Amino acid sequence: DTAVSQTPKYLVTQMGNDKSIKCEQNLGHDTMYWYKQDSKKFLKIMFSYNNKELIINETVPNRFSPKSPDKAHLNLHINSLELGDSAVYFCASSARGVRSVSGNTIYFGEGSWLTVV
Amino acid sequence: QKEVEQDPGPLSVPEGAIVSLNCTYSNSAFQYFMWYRQYSRKGPELLMYTYSSGNKEDGRFTAQVDKSSKYISLFIRDSQPSDSATYLCAMSARYSSASKIIFGSGTRLSIRP
Repeated sequence: DTAVSQTPKYLVTQMGNDKSIKCEQNLGHDTMYWYKQDSKKFLKIMFSYNNKELIINETVPNRFSPKSPDKAHLNLHINSLELGDSAVYFCASSARGVRSVSGNTIYFGEGSWLTVV
Repeated sequence: QKEVEQDPGPLSVPEGAIVSLNCTYSNSAFQYFMWYRQYSRKGPELLMYTYSSGNKEDGRFTAQVDKSSKYISLFIRDSQPSDSATYLCAMSARYSSASKIIFGSGTRLSIRP
């Protein structure tokens, strides 16, 4: 059973198109995330959702919009795709998104490889 | 200066060698230190987790934290070809949420049979 699953795994699309990436977790976690990993392997957080509420947005362009229909799902919609959006997008989840004395373990999905041409 | 620095490699060693992977950081508030392993075309998975200074051992893997030098290491003993992956360090301050975890850029490791 895949704990965090996201689709599609590979996506090639033209500039200006709108696309969505879907994510589901079956771990019962309260918090879900979207990360972007660029060609240099830097993982940067884009969004964090805790119980369906957006709790962080790290200066991501508003062309990116997360949608969470319930706490097990967090989809990412991207409007007017640009060449610079080409990257790997990881969905992730954790049990506790807010203050924790023991830290948090983040569980990542397998990634969605987006190529904008 | 980036908050977390990690040599991207690639690092290539023969099977059976001891591997040392390292990260430096600048934020003295960091107290939780993690190592993630990422296989090609896969998502990162948590390998080890330590709090504050000291060592932690798990099988062939040892994580070491030196807070005075702001330096963390991951040692792999008796390295295997299956250890070939990218290793990312990650860290956060005490009481911070998972959304505040900062990742290194990863070191690509290749173990030659």
